Amino acid sequence: TQLLEQSPQFLSIQEGENLTVYCNSSSVFSSLQWYRQEPGEGPVLLVTVVTGGEVKKLKRLTFQFGDARKDSSLHITAAQPGDTGLYLCAGYSGAGSYQLTFGKGTKLSVIP
Amino acid sequence: NAGVTQTPKFRVLKTGQSMTLLCAQDMNHEYMYWYRQDPGMGLRLIHYSVGEGTTAKGEVPDGYNVSRLKKQNFLLGLESAAPSQTSVYFCASTRGEVHSYEQYFGPGTRLTVT
Repeated sequence: TQLLEQSPQFLSIQEGENLTVYCNSSSVFSSLQWYRQEPGEGPVLLVTVVTGGEVKKLKRLTFQFGDARKDSSLHITAAQPGDTGLYLCAGYSGAGSYQLTFGKGTKLSVIP
Repeated sequence: NAGVTQTPKFRVLKTGQSMTLLCAQDMNHEYMYWYRQDPGMGLRLIHYSVGEGTTAKGEVPDGYNVSRLKKQNFLLGLESAAPSQTSVYFCASTRGEVHSYEQYFGPGTRLTVT
């Protein structure tokens, strides 16, 4: 069974601070996705990384896929209250598995 | 283009009652999924479908049944609700492997079983 461990579970920071969220596994994934979920809504896809070592930027958010494709990180620069939410990573193992493996998420609160 | 919609948004059931949750997608996606989300447990897959007329069990299928009679709809049924099924239920759809099974989620159904 593949597992994705996210850390930290909870993060509360002041507006303007930087933060990094981690997603780790002992298994190799074909690709890894990051979602953000706001209270009372469904998760929304932010990015997919598919190549080991890949870095993708989405405004103030930087996503990195580990060289061995077992881990990923999300870095937010100058966090804003609008970044508040639950961040989920999800891995696709390949080989026609039809499913994603989800981490349990990191709950981020950005205080104005 | 509404994406993925779920009906109803909220529901309260008594133990032993039955209900059906409806998921509809207008993106012509082949694959559809039902998840439940509980505090500290993350998203857990209940059942999924790889095409019209097909269904398969996920991680936590007990107490639930599903049907995919039309490509755009995926129904989740609870035959005899139990308090342990109190949760938020999400439906998702995806285009498939070429797109790494990137999922489009509905807004969720909050179910309380008393």
